[in-house]
Amino acid sequence: AQTVTQSQPEMSVQEAETVTLSCTYDTSENNYYLFWYKQPPSRQMILVIRQEAYKQQNATENRFSVNFQKAAKSFSLKISDSQLGDTAMYFCAFMKHRTDKLIFGTGTRLQVFP
Amino acid sequence: NAGVMQNPRHLVRRRGQEARLRCSPMKGHSHVYWYRQLPEEGLKFMVYLQKENIIDESGMPKERFSAEFPKEGPSILRIQQVVRGDSAAYFCASSRSRDENYGYTFGSGTRLTVV
Repeated sequence: AQTVTQSQPEMSVQEAETVTLSCTYDTSENNYYLFWYKQPPSRQMILVIRQEAYKQQNATENRFSVNFQKAAKSFSLKISDSQLGDTAMYFCAFMKHRTDKLIFGTGTRLQVFP
Repeated sequence: NAGVMQNPRHLVRRRGQEARLRCSPMKGHSHVYWYRQLPEEGLKFMVYLQKENIIDESGMPKERFSAEFPKEGPSILRIQQVVRGDSAAYFCASSRSRDENYGYTFGSGTRLTVV
């Protein structure tokens, strides 16, 4: 069975600084997808970034980028130039290829300070 | 282009009552997924439905929980005889087809509180 581990329950960063959120996962699959979701206080689940396991190039979306280390089963999220609006819970998630289920970690609460 | 609509946003039920949670998928989406988020935890898969069919219910508790997605109207997650442990946020997601693997579009969730 696949598992997703986020070992940082809480993180904080000052506005305009860079922060990295950790995520590791366990799977015997070779073909899968990884995601980072943001959940602000409004509770909406917002897709931040997505990575296909077969792609070696790390995904980037504006200020958000990932460090995908397939052999180490690591998928960290880097937020550059942090903004107050980045304050939220961040969830790492795994999906096996050709399945329907997202498997989520327990989340990291990020606080951005002015 | 409305997103995934869930209602109610908040629902309070007394122990033993029934809870009905509704989810209208995005326009053009015929696949619906329900997830549950217990306090301080990540979301956990419950059930995957297509119109009039349950495709995968491996995450559904065996008793008191049921889901449907009729030909017309929203998907319904029904919890009978609610207990305190059912208190959670319930999220719905939708997709146009199976295996899209882009992470779906989620609604804002229904927070169920059992008193």
